[in-house]
Amino acid sequence: DQQVKQNSPSLSVQEGRISILNCDYTNSMFDYFLWYKKYPAEGPTFLISISSIKDKNEDGRFTVFLNKSAKHLSLHIVPSQPGDSAVYFCAASLSGGSNYKLTFGKGTLLTVNP
Amino acid sequence: GAVVSQHPSWVICKSGTSVKIECRSLDFQATTMFWYRQFPKQSLMLMATSNEGSKATYEQGVEKDKFLINHASLTLSTLTVTSAHPEDSSFYICSAIGLASRSSTDTQYFGPGTRLTVL
Repeated sequence: DQQVKQNSPSLSVQEGRISILNCDYTNSMFDYFLWYKKYPAEGPTFLISISSIKDKNEDGRFTVFLNKSAKHLSLHIVPSQPGDSAVYFCAASLSGGSNYKLTFGKGTLLTVNP
Repeated sequence: GAVVSQHPSWVICKSGTSVKIECRSLDFQATTMFWYRQFPKQSLMLMATSNEGSKATYEQGVEKDKFLINHASLTLSTLTVTSAHPEDSSFYICSAIGLASRSSTDTQYFGPGTRLTVL
């Protein structure tokens, strides 16, 4: 059972425009969400995170929005740059205690065209 | 900072042989390391959590006797795929959390992964 879902396997955006990557989750116990970016032949790198007590977190060109009632989060990249082309993974976890387990989605391949 | 390396980056082996993959935290000490597996077009699936000096904790459905994990020091964890079969062919990625980590929300730093192909 896929607890974290990224229903769009790929997204293509023009340079300078906004990229919106979506993620849905089914486990209402998740209370911490992360986005990772992965280039080919490299490991995922942490991008941005959000706690369930917030509905928005912003870091430069990257903003993550969380809609708890809909169990949905999204990553906005604006303006998009060709260097943003990568696979983006959404991940969820249970904060607190010593449980560090991350549950990942399948990823969305973002292509930013010059 | 916070660099995690893996060796080898890719390996091809014959069915029935064992393969060892190393995961090292290069510039920090890691109390906890994680091993993930990713099949093509699938998500990263956590296989096991490895704490230095203690036995690894395996996720449900992962055979501990097939995937041997050793976390002998604060900078090194190894995953040995024993008696590998073609269905074990996958991308194996490790991650690590620093010694100062006190919260499950602390960032995990990932290695570049190891592509295992079993013929």
